[in-house]
Amino acid sequence: KNQVEQSPQSLIILEGKNCTLQCNYTVSPFSNLRWYKQDTGRGPVSLTIMTFSENTKSNGRYTATLDADTKQSSLHITASQLSDSASYICVVTLNSGNTPLVFGKGTRLSVIA
Amino acid sequence: EAGVVQSPRYKIIEKKQPVAFWCNPISGHNTLYWYLQNLGQGPELLIRYENEEAVDDSQLPKDRFSAERLKGVDSTLKIQPAELGDSAVYLCASSWDSTTGELFFGEGSRLTVL
Repeated sequence: KNQVEQSPQSLIILEGKNCTLQCNYTVSPFSNLRWYKQDTGRGPVSLTIMTFSENTKSNGRYTATLDADTKQSSLHITASQLSDSASYICVVTLNSGNTPLVFGKGTRLSVIA
Repeated sequence: EAGVVQSPRYKIIEKKQPVAFWCNPISGHNTLYWYLQNLGQGPELLIRYENEEAVDDSQLPKDRFSAERLKGVDSTLKIQPAELGDSAVYLCASSWDSTTGELFFGEGSRLTVL
């Protein structure tokens, strides 16, 4: 069964600290993996996309990694800011099938002063 | 460029009443999705359209939910009659096609059923 598991479910960190969110997937055939950021009361917004051949991709203070062998991805946030408080959702795209997108349940990040 | 527009943003109704949500996708996007999102959970697909055709509605509770996408642009999601368990956020998203994977989401319609 195609699944995306995220951990931790929630996380609280102090402003300025770094953190890493995890995404494990059992999706096949794999096309790409995206991380979305969802602010409270808003729709998700894409942060990064990673294809099979990519190991690391950065977007400002966000760095995503992908290990296609172990089917794991991580999102590292550097020097966190209060505005980073949001849910981060991992989404894997299948290369075929009638339902091409598989969503994780998200990690709720709270950055406190 | 305008994003995905949804209305209403908030709706409060009593159980057994009908409700409808409207979505206007980004111009030119062929694929349109309706998702349901419960608090603290990821979005769950209800239905996916490719132009006017509903290509995946396997998770849509067809006894009370219906959707349409006339002319392959705007879409409407309807619930009749609403139940207490339908309280959630209904998200609409669009993309150029279903293979690129990048979805552009609207702000969502928050439904509360009393």
